Amino acid sequence: DGGITQSPKYLFRKEGQNVTLSCEQNLNHDAMYWYRQDPGQGLRLIYYSQIVNDFQKGDIAEGYSVSREKKESFPLTVTSAQKNPTAFYLCASSIDLLGPGTDTQYFGPGTRLTVL
Amino acid sequence: AQTVTQSQPEMSVQEAETVTLSCTYDTSESNYYLFWYKQPPSRQMILVIRQEAYKQQNATENRFSVNFQKAAKSFSLKISDSQLGDTAMYFCAFMKGDNDMRFGAGTRLTVKP
Repeated sequence: DGGITQSPKYLFRKEGQNVTLSCEQNLNHDAMYWYRQDPGQGLRLIYYSQIVNDFQKGDIAEGYSVSREKKESFPLTVTSAQKNPTAFYLCASSIDLLGPGTDTQYFGPGTRLTVL
Repeated sequence: AQTVTQSQPEMSVQEAETVTLSCTYDTSESNYYLFWYKQPPSRQMILVIRQEAYKQQNATENRFSVNFQKAAKSFSLKISDSQLGDTAMYFCAFMKGDNDMRFGAGTRLTVKP
């Protein structure tokens, strides 16, 4: 089955620790994205990547880092510099055939991160 | 910066009836894309419908249709013959040609039996 997988579904972190959220897609999509969702709010863009080895910051990139070494994978690291990391994190991907922003984003099931 | 406003935090509808969710946006762009996503209790974001701004015809997907008013910057979602499975958060989203998608705060829809 084609799709986007995120792991783990639930993640607990102690303050001061870095943690990495996994996102994998087998849709052969070019672009991948990370969003953060807080209660009662819409999604906010953290980082996105249009091609391998390239990525751009979104609105709330501070305290986060990403890598794009493979087309299929776009892991997100939440660092200790992120002051309020407890949130629901969603990964998405899109084809991008006609250029940036031209195609629909499809989402993974999300990871709930809780800082203890 | 583009902003998306959903003025109805919560709505409810009786099963089999029709409901309309509102969305307005602010942009100076002439070409862009609009979306409605559904987020059920599982929290999986599911695409409901998509509209390209250059298309005058309103998009339709089975029981879901939109009323796209470009001059008014309005993009409402109509759900016909509501079903219990339509119960979810609904997010309106705007995207221009740079992968920057902006979401509204969402409308929580409850379909009552």
